[in-house]
Amino acid sequence: QSALTQPASVSGSPGQSITISCTGTSSDVGNYNYVSWYQQHPGKAPKLMIFDVSNRPSGVSNRFSGSKSGNTASLTISGLQAEDEADYYCCSYTSSSTLYGFGSGTKVTVL
Amino acid sequence: QLQLQESGSGLLKPSQTLSLTCAVSGGSISSGAYSWSWIRQPPGKGLEWIGYIYDSGSTYYNPSLKSRVTISVDRSKNQVSLKLSSVTAADTAVYYCASLALGEFHFDFWGQGTLVAVSS
Repeated sequence: QSALTQPASVSGSPGQSITISCTGTSSDVGNYNYVSWYQQHPGKAPKLMIFDVSNRPSGVSNRFSGSKSGNTASLTISGLQAEDEADYYCCSYTSSSTLYGFGSGTKVTVL
Repeated sequence: QLQLQESGSGLLKPSQTLSLTCAVSGGSISSGAYSWSWIRQPPGKGLEWIGYIYDSGSTYYNPSLKSRVTISVDRSKNQVSLKLSSVTAADTAVYYCASLALGEFHFDFWGQGTLVAVSS
């Protein structure tokens, strides 16, 4: 059972914006600004897209943005493109003994 | 830029010990700049953090696996190793190694992953 809750799927048309939520607790998302997001294409390794809630690594498109409110973090993809179709996972540092918890994953479909 | 590559036993029988290595290039595992994590993903499922090791050798494991896991480093080979004992079918997964920069809380570089299947 995943530590963080994400919607199973989100879809949008090319050019639209979509938002993926990641709900945790006051022990993880709500207490630390250490939420990261990973993109995973089929058969590939996860790729870091956002770290520390809203920071983008060098080379990641500015169409990807992150935010947080309370116990819920969000990843927004604007100007949706076919190449954005993938699974997305959130991750948070946690005060529990697990240290790092991942979300259940969200499949993004570009219609 | 770091590059990580996993290798090791691909097919195991229940009760055997899983043994994987992660070869690191583009940087030294002894630099003190990173800790080294193992993360796994059962087929069709999500990600699970297994544990990490610092270049000092100190380790931290996910409590759900702690009794069966050992992570170590081989500085001479610039490699990180994972051993998981008494495997069952539930340990079938793609196993990834990933780097965690010191003072940071995200996994920035990942290996391509290696599939380990447990079947009698």
